[in-house]
Amino acid sequence: DTAVSQTPKYLVTQMGNDKSIKCEQNLGHDTMYWYKQDSKKFLKIMFSYNNKELIINETVPNRFSPKSPDKAHLNLHINSLELGDSAVYFCASGTDMSNTEAFFGQGTRLTVV
Amino acid sequence: AQKITQTQPGMFVQEKEAVTLDCTYDTSDQSYGLFWYKQPSSGEMIFLIYQGSYDEQNATEGRYSLNFQKARKSANLVISASQLGDSAMYFCAMIDTGANSKLTFGKGITLSVRP
Repeated sequence: DTAVSQTPKYLVTQMGNDKSIKCEQNLGHDTMYWYKQDSKKFLKIMFSYNNKELIINETVPNRFSPKSPDKAHLNLHINSLELGDSAVYFCASGTDMSNTEAFFGQGTRLTVV
Repeated sequence: AQKITQTQPGMFVQEKEAVTLDCTYDTSDQSYGLFWYKQPSSGEMIFLIYQGSYDEQNATEGRYSLNFQKARKSANLVISASQLGDSAMYFCAMIDTGANSKLTFGKGITLSVRP
């Protein structure tokens, strides 16, 4: 019973390609996030969605486009991949308002070559 | 703006001993939450413990406890009876309450447990 699942776990692709990472949560949470972890292990928020609506967009290039078909899913689509996009991307979900829970997916290690 | 500070260099602890991982935070919010996560070498982010700013008692979850000192703005993680499997990177994070909230992370601390 994986609470937050994201696929794929590993993604290797060439520069210029378009790729998607999928995320699903079965916790009934209203809020979902995408975080990027860089090579120095620093975790930085990219987007948050609350009930399918975009709440936070933290100065992310518009090549990154999140899509939330319903509140249990938040997918990340990346166009025209660049070498600097190589990182680990984490999906997370949390409770609304009280924010007492926040669980992460297993991460997707993206390598752009 | 919220800020989390984790300044300890790599930490080492002998198996079965207790260890404290430091975390200080800065926020102007009155209501917020503090989290600790463990990231082993396999890469996943594992939720360990949560403390609300209005919780009067320190949070505990098994061998993990959070030493919450609100006036000092510190939220240190205490791991008792360390195990080899505790070797990992540990992140402190904070979140404010409300719909536009986000988790703000510290830069993490590496813990190595020695046999």
